[in-house]
Amino acid sequence: EIVLTQSPGTLSLSPGERATLSCRATQSVSSSYLAWYQQKPRQAPRLLMYGTSTRATGIPDRFSGGGSGTDFTLTINGLEPEDFAVYYCQLYTTSSLTFGQGTRLEIK
Amino acid sequence: QVQLQESGPGLVKPSQTLSLTCTVSGGSISSGSHYWTWIRQPAGKGLEWIGRTFVGGNTYLNPSLESRVTLLADSSKNQFSLNVRSVTAADTAVYYCARGVLRQAPWPHPVGYHYFYMDVWGKGTTVTVSS
Repeated sequence: EIVLTQSPGTLSLSPGERATLSCRATQSVSSSYLAWYQQKPRQAPRLLMYGTSTRATGIPDRFSGGGSGTDFTLTINGLEPEDFAVYYCQLYTTSSLTFGQGTRLEIK
Repeated sequence: QVQLQESGPGLVKPSQTLSLTCTVSGGSISSGSHYWTWIRQPAGKGLEWIGRTFVGGNTYLNPSLESRVTLLADSSKNQFSLNVRSVTAADTAVYYCARGVLRQAPWPHPVGYHYFYMDVWGKGTTVTVSS
């Protein structure tokens, strides 16, 4: 079973700054199956990124994703007030699906 | 556009069966390479995948839950459902249904290079297990 570990657990930044969120897998995975979601309080998760680096429909270009193998990142340039939320990475395999434990991005 | 809506009891007694339905509108559950998925989230915690089903195809379940979980899809009603047997307080959570998409990545990616993501989610329904 592949485990995804996200870091940091909590990231405190100010609007306008850059956020870098990490997602590490316990073994090498296909980057095509790595996605990111944003979740705000009392809301369902929202798809941000799939295939590691492809933005979902309507996602602004301040969001970018990268990585390969075991290490993946979500970068948010120029944080907007609406970006403060919890972010999850997700990995699909043929018979399973795994989420990271989440990174909380909070306003400093 | 496709929308998903969860429905079912908000309170279930311990040892009983939790049953939820996800109604799909704006599209057919039988069309496309869509995997109809259930995910749950205990209060203040992260997301846990429960399982997914493909109409006319395979169903995959989280190994930690598969002995207690059944997923079904009903094309005639355009719904899919979740049953969790022998529930305990640990099953208390917000339950989400979602549409999973598995598709071939466009050029220049080679054939067989697929994406998977969940692009449409229900709003979630809270289920509490308590006597």
